[in-house]
Amino acid sequence: AQSVTQLGSHVSVSEGALVLLRCNYSSSVPPYLFWYVQYPNQGLQLLLKYTTGATLVKGINGFEAEFKKSETSFHLTKPSAHMSDAAEYFCAVRFNDYKLSFGAGTTVTVRA
Amino acid sequence: ETGVTQSPTHLIKTRGQQVTLRCSSQSGHNTVSWYQQALGQGPQFIFQYYREEENGRGNFPPRFSGLQFPNYSSELNVNALELDDSALYLCASSLGSGPNEKLFFGSGTQLSVL
Repeated sequence: AQSVTQLGSHVSVSEGALVLLRCNYSSSVPPYLFWYVQYPNQGLQLLLKYTTGATLVKGINGFEAEFKKSETSFHLTKPSAHMSDAAEYFCAVRFNDYKLSFGAGTTVTVRA
Repeated sequence: ETGVTQSPTHLIKTRGQQVTLRCSSQSGHNTVSWYQQALGQGPQFIFQYYREEENGRGNFPPRFSGLQFPNYSSELNVNALELDDSALYLCASSLGSGPNEKLFFGSGTQLSVL
Protein backbone atom coordinates (compact mmCIF):
# COMPACT_ATOMS: atom_id res chain seq x y z
CA ALA A 1 0.00 0.00 0.00
CA GLN A 2 1.16 3.53 -0.69
CA SER A 3 1.83 5.57 2.43
CA VAL A 4 3.67 8.56 3.85
CA THR A 5 5.44 8.43 7.20
CA GLN A 6 6.86 11.35 9.14
CA LEU A 7 9.19 10.27 11.90
CA GLY A 8 8.66 12.27 15.07
CA SER A 9 5.46 14.12 15.81
CA HIS A 10 7.33 16.85 17.63
CA VAL A 11 10.77 18.38 17.19
CA SER A 12 12.30 21.00 19.48
CA VAL A 13 15.38 22.93 18.37
CA SER A 14 17.34 25.90 19.63
CA GLU A 15 17.38 29.09 17.63
CA GLY A 16 20.25 28.87 15.18
CA ALA A 17 20.41 25.08 15.26
CA LEU A 18 19.80 22.67 12.40
CA VAL A 19 16.22 21.68 11.66
CA LEU A 20 15.79 18.15 10.31
CA LEU A 21 12.36 16.70 9.60
CA ARG A 22 12.12 13.17 8.27
CA CYS A 23 9.73 11.82 5.67
CA ASN A 24 9.59 8.38 4.07
CA TYR A 25 7.12 7.05 1.57
CA SER A 26 6.26 3.65 0.22
CA SER A 27 5.68 3.33 -3.49
CA SER A 28 7.01 1.22 -6.34
CA VAL A 29 7.06 4.28 -8.59
CA PRO A 30 8.81 7.53 -7.62
CA PRO A 31 6.02 9.95 -6.79
CA TYR A 32 5.89 13.71 -6.68
CA LEU A 33 6.98 14.95 -3.25
CA PHE A 34 6.05 18.07 -1.30
CA TRP A 35 6.61 19.80 2.00
CA TYR A 36 3.97 22.14 3.39
CA VAL A 37 3.97 24.38 6.46
CA GLN A 38 0.91 25.28 8.52
CA TYR A 39 0.86 28.15 10.97
CA PRO A 40 -1.86 28.31 13.64
CA ASN A 41 -5.30 29.07 12.24
CA GLN A 42 -4.01 29.12 8.69
CA GLY A 43 -4.07 26.87 5.67
CA LEU A 44 -1.16 25.04 4.15
CA GLN A 45 1.67 26.86 2.42
CA LEU A 46 3.96 25.09 -0.03
CA LEU A 47 7.61 25.11 1.07
CA LEU A 48 9.06 23.12 -1.80
CA LYS A 49 8.40 20.25 -4.17
CA TYR A 50 10.22 17.58 -6.12
CA THR A 51 8.87 16.37 -9.44
CA THR A 52 11.81 15.41 -11.65
CA GLY A 53 15.41 16.44 -12.18
CA ALA A 54 17.79 17.61 -9.47
CA THR A 55 17.22 15.67 -6.28
CA LEU A 56 18.20 18.55 -3.97
CA VAL A 57 15.35 21.00 -3.93
CA LYS A 58 15.49 24.48 -2.45
CA GLY A 59 12.38 26.12 -1.13
CA ILE A 60 11.22 29.24 0.62
CA ASN A 61 12.44 30.53 3.98
CA GLY A 62 15.81 28.77 3.67
CA PHE A 63 14.44 25.23 3.63
CA GLU A 64 15.67 22.48 1.35
CA ALA A 65 14.95 18.80 0.87
CA GLU A 66 16.71 15.91 -0.82
CA PHE A 67 14.97 13.11 -2.66
CA LYS A 68 16.73 9.78 -2.13
CA LYS A 69 15.13 7.11 -4.26
CA SER A 70 17.12 4.26 -2.74
CA GLU A 71 15.92 5.23 0.73
CA THR A 72 12.43 6.34 -0.40
CA SER A 73 12.98 9.47 1.64
CA PHE A 74 12.46 13.21 1.29
CA HIS A 75 13.86 14.79 4.44
CA LEU A 76 13.50 18.54 5.04
CA THR A 77 16.33 20.62 6.47
CA LYS A 78 17.17 24.17 7.40
CA PRO A 79 20.70 25.00 8.57
CA SER A 80 19.73 27.61 11.14
CA ALA A 81 16.35 27.72 12.87
CA HIS A 82 14.55 30.99 13.43
CA MET A 83 11.77 31.67 15.89
CA SER A 84 9.39 32.21 12.97
CA ASP A 85 9.94 28.57 11.90
CA ALA A 86 7.73 27.37 14.75
CA ALA A 87 4.83 25.69 12.97
CA GLU A 88 3.53 22.33 11.85
CA TYR A 89 5.16 20.72 8.83
CA PHE A 90 3.60 18.17 6.54
CA CYS A 91 5.23 15.91 4.01
CA ALA A 92 2.92 15.06 1.12
CA VAL A 93 3.14 12.70 -1.80
CA ARG A 94 1.26 12.56 -5.06
CA PHE A 95 0.96 8.93 -6.09
CA ASN A 96 -1.46 9.65 -8.92
CA ASP A 97 -2.86 12.60 -10.73
CA TYR A 98 -5.46 13.94 -8.42
CA LYS A 99 -4.73 13.64 -4.76
CA LEU A 100 -2.09 14.46 -2.19
CA SER A 101 -1.41 11.96 0.57
CA PHE A 102 -0.12 13.67 3.70
CA GLY A 103 1.93 12.46 6.59
CA ALA A 104 0.67 13.00 10.13
CA GLY A 105 2.74 16.14 10.56
CA THR A 106 5.65 17.29 12.72
CA THR A 107 5.30 20.20 15.10
CA VAL A 108 8.44 22.31 15.37
CA THR A 109 9.13 24.46 18.40
CA VAL A 110 12.10 26.80 18.51
CA ARG A 111 13.77 27.62 21.83
CA ALA A 112 15.35 31.03 22.33
CA GLU B 1 -2.41 35.31 0.90
CA THR B 2 -3.40 32.51 -1.46
CA GLY B 3 -6.52 34.05 -3.00
CA VAL B 4 -8.61 31.11 -1.79
CA THR B 5 -11.32 32.02 0.68
CA GLN B 6 -13.47 29.70 2.73
CA SER B 7 -16.63 30.37 4.68
CA PRO B 8 -17.57 30.20 7.39
CA THR B 9 -14.36 30.08 9.43
CA HIS B 10 -16.01 28.26 12.31
CA LEU B 11 -19.21 26.27 12.58
CA ILE B 12 -20.94 24.31 15.31
CA LYS B 13 -23.52 21.65 14.44
CA THR B 14 -25.22 18.82 16.23
CA ARG B 15 -25.12 15.16 15.31
CA GLY B 16 -27.50 14.28 12.48
CA GLN B 17 -27.61 17.75 10.99
CA GLN B 18 -26.44 18.75 7.52
CA VAL B 19 -23.77 21.32 6.74
CA THR B 20 -22.55 23.23 3.68
CA LEU B 21 -19.06 24.67 3.49
CA ARG B 22 -18.06 27.09 0.78
CA CYS B 23 -14.87 27.82 -1.09
CA SER B 24 -14.00 30.60 -3.50
CA SER B 25 -11.10 29.60 -5.71
CA GLN B 26 -8.27 31.76 -6.89
CA SER B 27 -9.18 33.57 -10.09
CA GLY B 28 -8.80 31.38 -13.18
CA HIS B 29 -8.40 28.12 -11.28
CA ASN B 30 -10.64 25.40 -12.69
CA THR B 31 -9.82 22.66 -10.19
CA VAL B 32 -10.74 22.44 -6.54
CA SER B 33 -9.92 19.78 -3.98
CA TRP B 34 -11.31 19.29 -0.50
CA TYR B 35 -9.44 17.83 2.45
CA GLN B 36 -10.43 16.90 6.00
CA GLN B 37 -7.87 17.51 8.74
CA ALA B 38 -8.75 15.92 12.06
CA LEU B 39 -7.03 17.18 15.18
CA GLY B 40 -3.41 16.03 15.32
CA GLN B 41 -3.48 14.45 11.87
CA GLY B 42 -2.53 15.30 8.34
CA PRO B 43 -5.16 16.32 5.81
CA GLN B 44 -7.11 13.51 4.17
CA PHE B 45 -8.28 13.84 0.56
CA ILE B 46 -12.07 13.92 0.18
CA PHE B 47 -12.58 14.65 -3.53
CA GLN B 48 -11.58 16.83 -6.43
CA TYR B 49 -13.63 18.70 -9.00
CA TYR B 50 -12.39 19.71 -12.42
CA ARG B 51 -14.57 21.91 -14.62
CA GLU B 52 -17.66 21.10 -12.55
CA GLU B 53 -17.18 17.31 -12.65
CA GLU B 54 -15.91 15.11 -9.83
CA ASN B 55 -12.73 13.48 -11.12
CA GLY B 56 -11.38 11.79 -8.02
CA ARG B 57 -12.58 10.71 -4.61
CA GLY B 58 -10.95 9.54 -1.43
CA ASN B 59 -12.20 7.06 1.13
CA PHE B 60 -15.20 9.03 2.34
CA PRO B 61 -18.84 7.88 2.44
CA PRO B 62 -21.48 9.21 0.02
CA ARG B 63 -22.88 11.56 2.66
CA PHE B 64 -19.89 13.72 1.74
CA SER B 65 -20.79 15.41 -1.54
CA GLY B 66 -19.68 18.42 -3.47
CA LEU B 67 -20.49 20.88 -6.19
CA GLN B 68 -18.41 23.12 -8.37
CA PHE B 69 -20.06 26.06 -10.07
CA PRO B 70 -19.35 27.69 -13.46
CA ASN B 71 -17.40 30.46 -11.72
CA TYR B 72 -15.35 27.63 -10.13
CA SER B 73 -16.46 28.33 -6.60
CA SER B 74 -17.43 25.16 -4.79
CA GLU B 75 -19.31 23.62 -1.91
CA LEU B 76 -18.76 20.67 0.36
CA ASN B 77 -21.93 19.16 1.78
CA VAL B 78 -22.03 16.70 4.63
CA ASN B 79 -25.27 14.97 5.57
CA ALA B 80 -26.16 13.13 8.78
CA LEU B 81 -23.24 14.61 10.69
CA GLU B 82 -21.33 12.37 13.05
CA LEU B 83 -19.10 13.33 15.97
CA ASP B 84 -16.04 12.13 14.01
CA ASP B 85 -16.78 14.70 11.31
CA SER B 86 -15.39 17.34 13.65
CA ALA B 87 -12.32 18.62 11.83
CA LEU B 88 -10.75 21.43 9.86
CA TYR B 89 -11.95 21.31 6.26
CA LEU B 90 -9.55 22.72 3.71
CA CYS B 91 -10.15 23.51 0.09
CA ALA B 92 -7.40 23.98 -2.43
CA SER B 93 -7.57 25.36 -5.94
CA SER B 94 -5.25 24.89 -8.88
CA LEU B 95 -5.00 25.77 -12.56
CA GLY B 96 -5.40 22.16 -13.59
CA SER B 97 -5.65 18.65 -12.21
CA GLY B 98 -2.25 17.34 -13.24
CA PRO B 99 0.38 16.08 -10.80
CA ASN B 100 2.60 19.11 -11.26
CA GLU B 101 -0.06 21.65 -10.47
CA LYS B 102 0.52 23.85 -7.43
CA LEU B 103 -2.29 23.80 -4.92
CA PHE B 104 -3.35 26.99 -3.19
CA PHE B 105 -5.02 26.28 0.15
CA GLY B 106 -7.60 28.31 1.98
CA SER B 107 -7.44 28.83 5.73
CA GLY B 108 -10.15 26.26 6.32
CA THR B 109 -13.47 25.90 8.07
CA GLN B 110 -13.35 24.50 11.60
CA LEU B 111 -16.39 22.27 12.05
CA SER B 112 -17.42 21.07 15.49
CA VAL B 113 -20.12 18.43 15.78
CA LEU B 114 -21.70 18.11 19.22
